[in-house]
Amino acid sequence: ETGVTQSPTHLIKTRGQQVTLRCSSQSGHNTVSWYQQALGQGPQFIFQYYREEENGRGNFPPRFSGLQFPNYSSELNVNALELDDSALYLCASSPGQSPLTYEQYFGPGTRLTVT
Amino acid sequence: AQKVTQAQTEISVVEKEDVTLDCVYETRDTTYYLFWYKQPPSGELVFLIRRNSFDEQNEISGRYSWNFQKSTSSFNFTITASQVVDSAVYFCALSEGGDSSYKLIFGSGTRLLVRP
Repeated sequence: ETGVTQSPTHLIKTRGQQVTLRCSSQSGHNTVSWYQQALGQGPQFIFQYYREEENGRGNFPPRFSGLQFPNYSSELNVNALELDDSALYLCASSPGQSPLTYEQYFGPGTRLTVT
Repeated sequence: AQKVTQAQTEISVVEKEDVTLDCVYETRDTTYYLFWYKQPPSGELVFLIRRNSFDEQNEISGRYSWNFQKSTSSFNFTITASQVVDSAVYFCALSEGGDSSYKLIFGSGTRLLVRP
């Protein structure tokens, strides 16, 4: 148990729609990162939020956006869904940023299917 | 450019065999961190170990051991006397000290199947 929860567990959407995925971190975890894991591949970094500000972004288009809230929850929003967006979306939270000191705790993920 | 390569896509062993999962990384940073994660069928990534670039000491934790060699840019993971519960996908990951987000760069994973 990492104390990180994600909702929903599974989701099916149609191409062109918009989706919001949610993540709830442990209290005190001011850093949250989102990753996309396509089937059979390793997770790919989407972006990170640190104290409610975006702090780093991977190779994802602007239709992927996020928010982090003061209550240690966060959202990943994806607009204009494409078939290739079908993947497991993982959030990871941490009480700080440096890996020397802090570990990232991953949630169980949300499996998104776009048809 | 930063990169993590796990050349073994899938490994199948019989219970009690030893197995080594290979990981080769590329980075230009002198400060970096290496990780291994386990992903069971449930999907959640389980942290196994973290090493930083200044500590090449090998580590043993029960049946698990890790061999970090900067000279060959490798960070290999060995499971001794494998068990069926070790069946999972294992990911090696890199985080660079020069990146303020310390994002994790994952390899493509190695699927380990331990047969009874």
